[in-house]
Amino acid sequence: GQNIDQPTEMTATEGAIVQINCTYQTSGFNGLFWYQQHAGEAPTFLSYNVLDGLEEKGRFSSFLSRSKGYSYLLLKELQMKDSASYLCAVREINYGQNFVFGPGTRLSVLP
Amino acid sequence: DGGITQSPKYLFRKEGQNVTLSCEQNLNHDAMYWYRQDPGQGLRLIYYSQIVNDFQKGDIAEGYSVSREKKESFPLTVTSAQKNPTAFYLCASRVLGGTYSNQPQHFGDGTRLSIL
Repeated sequence: GQNIDQPTEMTATEGAIVQINCTYQTSGFNGLFWYQQHAGEAPTFLSYNVLDGLEEKGRFSSFLSRSKGYSYLLLKELQMKDSASYLCAVREINYGQNFVFGPGTRLSVLP
Repeated sequence: DGGITQSPKYLFRKEGQNVTLSCEQNLNHDAMYWYRQDPGQGLRLIYYSQIVNDFQKGDIAEGYSVSREKKESFPLTVTSAQKNPTAFYLCASRVLGGTYSNQPQHFGDGTRLSIL
């Protein structure tokens, strides 16, 4: 079966750094994706990891450890507009190469 | 600009009524997906299609039906058999690349369905 866990909610201060964790258990891992979703809107793609290590994209970075079934999304220099839900999704070979989504982490950025 | 268009943005269903949610994409993507999102839960897959005239059930297909007569279009019908249809419905599409393709899913803006 598939199982993805994320913290439900996090709070951070404008200008700070926040790390959002994602742990997963799958039988056929084939890539991990992070999405940002503002309330009532479509998820937008942030980053992709398939090999171990860190991928950096401006203020956003994502890390993957396949042996630990663990990823994190790192947001630097937080801005108020970063208040949103962050979804971790794993592409699963044994699920038709479809995506299994975690429950999402709702991040609130305070002034 | 290419993208995915869902309509309507808001939809209300009466008891015993079937309603259809529209999803159109002009990205020339092969695969299309329908997800349901409930508060505090992740996206759950309803149906998906990787090629015209073919589609597969996801985890929660009961009470829903789809068709894929054209590559650009993947409408979802919420039937009267779906007893708890109130949710946010998201349509997505994706290029089907190689096994290690880094192609993400792209999402429409969603349809919020409520019961009258």
